[in-house]
Order: sequence, then structure tokens, then C-alpha cells
Amino acid sequence: DTAVSQTPKYLVTQMGNDKSIKCEQNLGHDTMYWYKQDSKKFLKIMFSYNNKELIINETVPNRFSPKSPDKAHLNLHINSLELGDSAVYFCASSPRQGTAYEQYFGPGTRLTVT
Amino acid sequence: GQSLEQPSEVTAVEGAIVQINCTYQTSGFYGLSWYQQHDGGAPTFLSYNALDGLEETGRFSSFLSRSDSYGYLLLQELQMKDSASYFCAVNSNYQLIWGAGTKLIIKP
Repeated sequence: DTAVSQTPKYLVTQMGNDKSIKCEQNLGHDTMYWYKQDSKKFLKIMFSYNNKELIINETVPNRFSPKSPDKAHLNLHINSLELGDSAVYFCASSPRQGTAYEQYFGPGTRLTVT
Repeated sequence: GQSLEQPSEVTAVEGAIVQINCTYQTSGFYGLSWYQQHDGGAPTFLSYNALDGLEETGRFSSFLSRSDSYGYLLLQELQMKDSASYFCAVNSNYQLIWGAGTKLIIKP
């Protein structure tokens, strides 16, 4: 009974490629998030969606484009990958827009760009 | 600007008590959350304080003082499995503002 799932778990690719990470939650939550965690473990919010609508779009290169086909899914597409994109990307969800304090995280996708 | 300060590393002995402090300066504040992350794992929610005072959940307690912009996580009866990174995060304007994390090292 996986609550928040992400695929793939590992992604190794070369500079310049385009890749996607998928996220699904079966908790019935309205709000979903994408985070980037760098090698120093700093968690940076990238995007947040509430019921398929974008509500947070932090300063992220426009090579990163999120898509939410329905409130249970939030995918992340990255164009023209760069070395600095190497990190662990986490998807998370929370019950409603006002419950950001309690988020449920997916297992993460470790992206390595060579 | 927005900032959270927590120690980068804390060392304690198995069976002891440890306190991880967090001070914050943010433009919006609704409460303070704490998360645990084991190496190679995902952050998991531990506790949330919206009001001043102490919240207890088993061996873990969390405290908040809004007037001092300060909170802490208290871990009692430390076990080796508590070795992890602990993050404080401010609930602000529909998102969490995260601290840099405290690595808790437990020695037998």
C-alpha cells in the first residue's frame, strides 16, 4: 500500500538529455509538491499544485516543467539536463492547501547527470 | 529574508536525552514542523506545533515559543535507530521553509 510513489528510483543520464520523473499518491490528498535535495541535504521547494493548479513556482530554471493530469499525479519533466541538476528529487503530498505542515514524501528519485 | 538555524550535528549516547534547537526568522508563520530523514530515505513527519508549548508523541516531544521564534525537538531514551537527520520547517504561506538539518549521531 504505497502512499506516495515515484518512478524511476534511479536515473543516470548524460548532459543535454530530456527526462521525466513520475509521482502518484493514493492518499486522496489535494496538494502535491516537488523538492530538490542537494548533496548537503538542503531541501528546496520547486513547485506545488493544489487540485491540478499550480500554486507555488519557486525560482527554478524553465527547463523544469511540472504537469498534473489529475490531483493524484504530479510529474516533472526536465529538458537539457545539466551537471548541476544532479540531486535527489522528492515528490510529496498533503491533505489540503492549508496543511503544508504535514507532508508525505515519496521515496525519492536519485538523478545523476554525467 | 527567511532563515532557519539549527545545529549541523549533534552527538549523544544511546539511552540518553538530546535536544535539537531551531530558531527561525520568516515573513509568515503558522507553525513549526519537525521531520526525520534516515540516510538514503525520505523525510517523514514527526510533529507540528502551531501554538506555544510542548507536544509529546511517545519518546519524541516538540516545543515552540512564538515570542522567541524558537523551537526544539526532544528525543528521549535514544536508540541506535534514531540516528538520522532532523529538519525543522516553518509552515508559511502554504509551504514549508526548511532548515538545513541536524545530523544526530548516536554512540553505543
